[in-house]
Amino acid sequence: AQSVAQPEDQVNVAEGNPLTVKCTYSVSGNPYLFWYVQYPNRGLQFLLKYITGDNLVKGSYGFEAEFNKSQTSFHLKKPSALVSDSALYFCAVRLTGGGNKLTFGTGTQLKVEL
Amino acid sequence: DAGVIQSPRHEVTEMGQEVTLRCKPISGHNSLFWYRQTMMRGLELLIYFNNNVPIDDSGMPEDRFSAKMPNASFSTLKIQPSEPRDSAVYFCASSSLLGDNQPQHFGDGTRLSIL
Repeated sequence: AQSVAQPEDQVNVAEGNPLTVKCTYSVSGNPYLFWYVQYPNRGLQFLLKYITGDNLVKGSYGFEAEFNKSQTSFHLKKPSALVSDSALYFCAVRLTGGGNKLTFGTGTQLKVEL
Repeated sequence: DAGVIQSPRHEVTEMGQEVTLRCKPISGHNSLFWYRQTMMRGLELLIYFNNNVPIDDSGMPEDRFSAKMPNASFSTLKIQPSEPRDSAVYFCASSSLLGDNQPQHFGDGTRLSIL
């Protein structure tokens, strides 16, 4: 079985400071990992994905994520947070060769304050 | 390009009524997913289709829920009879089956309230 955990329900950060939203995963094979963002009254929007290769993945809106196989983590990062980054963030995992069903985390609410 | 289109955006109906939610996936996508989102249970996968065929419906909560995909450009999720505990935001998502690393693209959901 595959699973993903987002240990923080909420993350608060000041605008201009770096932000990290944590995600750890558990799979029996090689994972594909994804980050999505959800703004109020909207669907989830794809931010970035890790397939293979470089452990640092760059995505939309200046976000990046670092894949760490030994720690089974895929934390989302941004060097300088904006108030407009405030939203709900979801990590998701899919097994390679396991079909296209995603397993989502419970989400982390990011609040960026002035 | 048009994204995933869901209708209606909002639905308010009384307990016991039939509810039909509709989804038009992105053109060319051949995989379609129905999700439900609530504060208590988070985001749950209800059912998904590949090439219009249901692959996994283990998330469908009970027999009151049914989903169909009669063609590549349309899917419905039906609840009959509806109950107050069905109140949630229902999302449809689509993706390409080209490789298994394609992201899912979500519609903006249908907010369903059962009174």
